[in-house]
Amino acid sequence: GNSVTQMEGPVTLSEEAFLTINCTYTATGYPSLFWYVQYPGEGLQLLLKATKADDKGSNKGFEATYRKETTSFHLEKGSVQVSDSAVYFCALSGIYNQGGKLIFGQGTELSVKP
Amino acid sequence: GAGVSQSPSNKVTEKGKDVELRCDPISGHTALYWYRQSLGQGLEFLIYFQGNSAPDKSGLPSDRFSAERTGGSVSTLTIQRTQQEDSAVYLCASSFQSGGSYEQYFGPGTRLTVT
Repeated sequence: GNSVTQMEGPVTLSEEAFLTINCTYTATGYPSLFWYVQYPGEGLQLLLKATKADDKGSNKGFEATYRKETTSFHLEKGSVQVSDSAVYFCALSGIYNQGGKLIFGQGTELSVKP
Repeated sequence: GAGVSQSPSNKVTEKGKDVELRCDPISGHTALYWYRQSLGQGLEFLIYFQGNSAPDKSGLPSDRFSAERTGGSVSTLTIQRTQQEDSAVYLCASSFQSGGSYEQYFGPGTRLTVT
């Protein structure tokens, strides 16, 4: 079936460290891929997206590239800040005949220490 | 502009009671989704509505769960005879249209606790 797998957390980094959160997917067809973020006490919000192979989504210094050959969409940031502490969810949608419903990974909690 | 709103923000109910959760989507958005976030199951899709089409109910966990969307706008998720395993945060999202490339905007959620 269609699914998303993320690296397990929690991930703890020092400020200005490099961040990678791995995400791989299994899907039929050509899904769109997303990273959503949930800051403490806040709702889910879209961080970035990519809708076709080799697209790179970017926002707030975060980047992810849609890699069809490895079915991956890893999230990266070159220098994290304390304010990046949150839970990050990888997701896919656009599976054939399934509309826009999102299938989420289990989430990765990131904690950035000063 | 106004985002997706949900009410109530918190609901505590006794096992066996019925509950109704409300979602007001962003004006003009034709697609509306319900998800559930729980510790054990993560984020799960429940149901979605697109315009006047029949809803996709494939994620509803049991026949105790139902949802409707009146006038293509407000939606209500109803859980009958609540069980403790229904305790979760119920999230509503809307998008301009359904389809993989359209961003979904999420509401703040309703935290349901079944005692």
